[in-house]
Amino acid sequence: GESVGLHLPTLSVQEGDNSIINCAYSNSASDYFIWYKQESGKGPQFIIDIRSNMDKRQGQRVTVLLNKTVKHLSLQIAATQPGDSAVYFCAERQAGTASKLTFGTGTRLQVTL
Amino acid sequence: DAGVIQSPRHEVTEMGQEVTLRCKPISGHNSLFWYRQTMMRGLELLIYFNNNVPIDDSGMPEDRFSAKMPNASFSTLKIQPSEPRDSAVYFCASSFSASEQFFGPGTRLTVL
Repeated sequence: GESVGLHLPTLSVQEGDNSIINCAYSNSASDYFIWYKQESGKGPQFIIDIRSNMDKRQGQRVTVLLNKTVKHLSLQIAATQPGDSAVYFCAERQAGTASKLTFGTGTRLQVTL
Repeated sequence: DAGVIQSPRHEVTEMGQEVTLRCKPISGHNSLFWYRQTMMRGLELLIYFNNNVPIDDSGMPEDRFSAKMPNASFSTLKIQPSEPRDSAVYFCASSFSASEQFFGPGTRLTVL
């Protein structure tokens, strides 16, 4: 079946550098995408979302880019901080399913000092 | 705002026993979701409710799993009988309409 997948299971970044976390999705019918951050021992926490009619959306230190042509989603974190260390998940919602999300396998971001 | 509340936070039980996980969604949210997270399979949606009605339970692994939502402020996920392969972290999440989902802290279940 169709699923959301991630290219890199672990990403190591030096403090202060920018991080880019990638996600490939296979369902062209998906109309809404979300990035979640999960710290150890906690539930996933919403970071930023984007709808399929947009290519880019910016938040505080984070930017999500959506390339529908190649079905690719990325999360950019500017000036990465130690507190950004976590597992990051992308999730997609298929059009017409209202609330149902399909999550990717996750990428672990390690911030080194 | 207390967020999504789950109990217990940790549960250790023996194979064959019944396990009941509980969730209180954020007040005013009308959708509730149960997820299971394991290292092997990641985060999987088990079932979700809209306005207390189960909408999609296709993720429920087998008949040993059941979920109820008797009112807008409470839901349970029951496993009977439990098996070691059910060991995982179970998350409850809630949302308003089709907006982002807010997750609870999870219940770590260990079945011996």
